[in-house]
Amino acid sequence: GESVGLHLPTLSVQEGDNSIINCAYSNSASDYFIWYKQESGKGPQFIIDIRSNMDKRQGQRVTVLLNKTVKHLSLQIAATQPGDSAVYFCAEILNNAGNMLTFGGGTRLMVKP
Amino acid sequence: KAGVTQTPRYLIKTRGQQVTLSCSPISGHRSVSWYQQTPGQGLQFLFEYFSETQRNKGNFPGRFSGRQFSNSRSEMNVSTLELGDSALYLCASSWASPSDTQYFGPGTRLTVL
Repeated sequence: GESVGLHLPTLSVQEGDNSIINCAYSNSASDYFIWYKQESGKGPQFIIDIRSNMDKRQGQRVTVLLNKTVKHLSLQIAATQPGDSAVYFCAEILNNAGNMLTFGGGTRLMVKP
Repeated sequence: KAGVTQTPRYLIKTRGQQVTLSCSPISGHRSVSWYQQTPGQGLQFLFEYFSETQRNKGNFPGRFSGRQFSNSRSEMNVSTLELGDSALYLCASSWASPSDTQYFGPGTRLTVL
């Protein structure tokens, strides 16, 4: 599969544990944030999104937290499974920037059985 | 419902040549965006098309161009290929507005020799 980043930060967790993936963003004008998951050989897959007027949003086994004060975004995955192993990207859309996604560098999640 | 499709999946070209990549969005989606993914630079926005018009453009040289057809299918073209153009080129489609989720295709892996 493709190498999406030779020096990606890596998070290694045991199957069944919770995972927390962090992302810092730089532009306070960003008003929409998205988490994507990318498996080897595939394009990014949408996981969950959050708008700047919210600080928390929950999905199935995933929660996104947004802290605008420190410009920090996190993705929490509950009961991590081997199928969660992938590279995770946060992305932001700046206000008035149309559909342009600005991506973070990515974090590789490895789940140990 | 079929997802975003991209053709071809793999391409090998030599320096100086040009290349055309194709993207078929999800049925009903009118916005198509293109991204370049490399190990060194990560995921970077190239441009977005909506209703056959370029709506947003990233910071890439003029050798990179695109277009969109009336059925929302899109093509991107890279002329005078350089070694540094080797990358995974991803297409994403969405309904229309910036708050609509962007769904990615599997990408086209371009190798420039």
